[in-house]
Amino acid sequence: TQTVSQSDAHVTVFEGDSVELRCNYSYGGSIYLSWYIQHHGRGLQFLLKYYSGNPVVQGVNGFEAEFSKSDSSFHLRKASVHWSDSAVYFCAASTNMGYKLTFGTGTSLLVDP
Amino acid sequence: GGIITQTPKFLIGQEGQKLTLKCQQNFNHDTMYWYRQDSGKGLRLIYYSITENDLQKGDLSEGYDASREKKSSFSLTVTSAQKNEMAVFLCASSIATDSNERLFFGHGTKLSVL
Repeated sequence: TQTVSQSDAHVTVFEGDSVELRCNYSYGGSIYLSWYIQHHGRGLQFLLKYYSGNPVVQGVNGFEAEFSKSDSSFHLRKASVHWSDSAVYFCAASTNMGYKLTFGTGTSLLVDP
Repeated sequence: GGIITQTPKFLIGQEGQKLTLKCQQNFNHDTMYWYRQDSGKGLRLIYYSITENDLQKGDLSEGYDASREKKSSFSLTVTSAQKNEMAVFLCASSIATDSNERLFFGHGTKLSVL
């Protein structure tokens, strides 16, 4: 059974700061990893994904994430956040054997202007 | 681009009531999903469907039924609403060949049970 862990429930930063949102997974085989963003009262929107190749993947709005097999991690980063980045961020994982995405519990990011 | 429309946006029910949530997509996607979102618990998969008339149970299927009578629509039924239950139900779709690499989500139906 695969699990996805987001250790920080809440993160607060100031506008212009850099931020890293952490995601760790447990699964032994090939794995797809992705990040989604959810603004208040909305559905989730895809940010980026990793399956193979370059461990650093670029997403929309200046977000990037880095896959580390040794750390079982897929942390999301942004060099300079904007107040509009305030949202809940979900890390998700799936195998290549099915259609089921497993989501983490989410990290709420608050960007103070 | 396409859109996923969930109706209703808000649903208030009584304990024991059967409640139906509807989802429509115009992406022409093969695969559709129902997730339940509880505060602090992330998203949990209830049902998914890889094609018209197909149904697959997720991790949280007990207490729910689903129906995929058309490719574009996927409905979810809460068979007996639980008192004080409160959750958001999210519908999503994806292209079959991409498996679940990228999901497109609706805005959700917020359920409250009195």
